[in-house]
Parts: sequence; C-alpha cells; structure tokens
Amino acid sequence: QSALTQPASVSGSPGQSITISCTGTSSDVGTYNYVSWYQQHPGKAPKLMIYEVSNRPSGVSNRFSGSKSGNTASLTISGLQAEDEADYYCSSYTSSSTFWFGGGTKLTVL
Amino acid sequence: EVQLVESGGGLVQPGGSLRLSCAASGFTFSRYWMSWVRQAPGKGLEWVANIKEDGSENYYVDSVKGRFTISRDSAKNSLYLQMDSLRAEDTAVYYCARGWGRSGWLLWGQGTLVTVSS
Repeated sequence: QSALTQPASVSGSPGQSITISCTGTSSDVGTYNYVSWYQQHPGKAPKLMIYEVSNRPSGVSNRFSGSKSGNTASLTISGLQAEDEADYYCSSYTSSSTFWFGGGTKLTVL
Repeated sequence: EVQLVESGGGLVQPGGSLRLSCAASGFTFSRYWMSWVRQAPGKGLEWVANIKEDGSENYYVDSVKGRFTISRDSAKNSLYLQMDSLRAEDTAVYYCARGWGRSGWLLWGQGTLVTVSS
C-alpha cells in the first residue's frame, strides 16, 4: 500500500479556479467519506481546509470546496488569491483503521 | 487557549531512542483521539500513529510498528511517542494533532524536529 496520489504541482492566475485531485483505492477513498484536505505554508503546521469530503470547518473560506467520485477526491479553489499559494495535502481513513496522506501538491499563484 | 505544544525532539544516533511529549491545553483532552504526524525535510506529511480517547486502542503506520509506542496520560493532559531503534529515515518534524473521529485533524502543534544521524 502506498500514499494517495496527487499531482506534484498546479498553478493558476488570481481570480481563476484550480482543482487538485487525490487518487486512492477501494480500501480508502473509494469506501470512506473520511477524506480531508490540508493547506500548509512553508515552516507552518498544516491547516484543515475540508473534512468528510466536502465540509468546511468554521472560518475556512467558501472559495474552498471538495468532492469525490469513485476512488478520486478533489479540492477546488475558486477565485484564486495570492495567499492561497501553499502546499496542499489530502488524507483518507483506510480499512486498516489507519490514515494515508497524499504526496502533496504545490500550488503556485501566477 | 486551545493548543498543543510538542517537546523532546533533538539529535540522536541511529539505533538510539527518544521520547516526544505533547502538552494539551484549553480543551478536554480525554474526549479526543490523538495522533502523531511527521514530515521529513522537504517531503510530505506521513501519519505515524494514533490512540483512542481512553488509550485502549492504537494504530501505527507499518514503517514504525514494533519500534514506536504511542501513549497518553489524561491526568497530565499529555500525549507521548516513545521512539526506539531509530533510523535515518525517521528524521522529520513530528506534529501532535487532535483527532476528529475519522474525519481528520483540526488542531495541530507547532512540531518538534527529530534528527537521526551519527
């Protein structure tokens, strides 16, 4: 078993929308709606942005949204802003009662 | 203030041991699963271990099974990670995180750096 699969990098211009994919298997993403997404700025701790596929914690901008289809979850950021530039990680609960993270995606705001 | 503060990191030789601590404050520690998540320099996040609210269950990533032990002390509002037989690949910033059932981690500490090197 290996980590969830994310693109290494994505980019977009201010105001545009981007989507980051997170592909797992039927033992994790495909079976459980326990997919979460984290934003991490350099030198900082991760911040929860989406939990249970599509829910936002209090205080997280509604520009961030999540979805899932089959074994692939997605994070969409609309109306890109400079401060969105960061690393993004997905995570999923697994059938072994453990958790996987994706390899991370570096978002560049052009 | 609701927070998690890790301590105990440092430089250790391969094969050595280290014990990390995480002090919780501002919330009822005994009501939450707790986890350790690590991040090797320049690399991504890796879940390491978690422990149930009452300490009766714990789970580990395969790469640390038999070497690391997670524990907690509700009287001291503290989480621990005993790390034995350390390897160079265990070098990372170790974060303590408060679990939200199976839904992820809403609260994180600032991290403590563990360096395994001779």
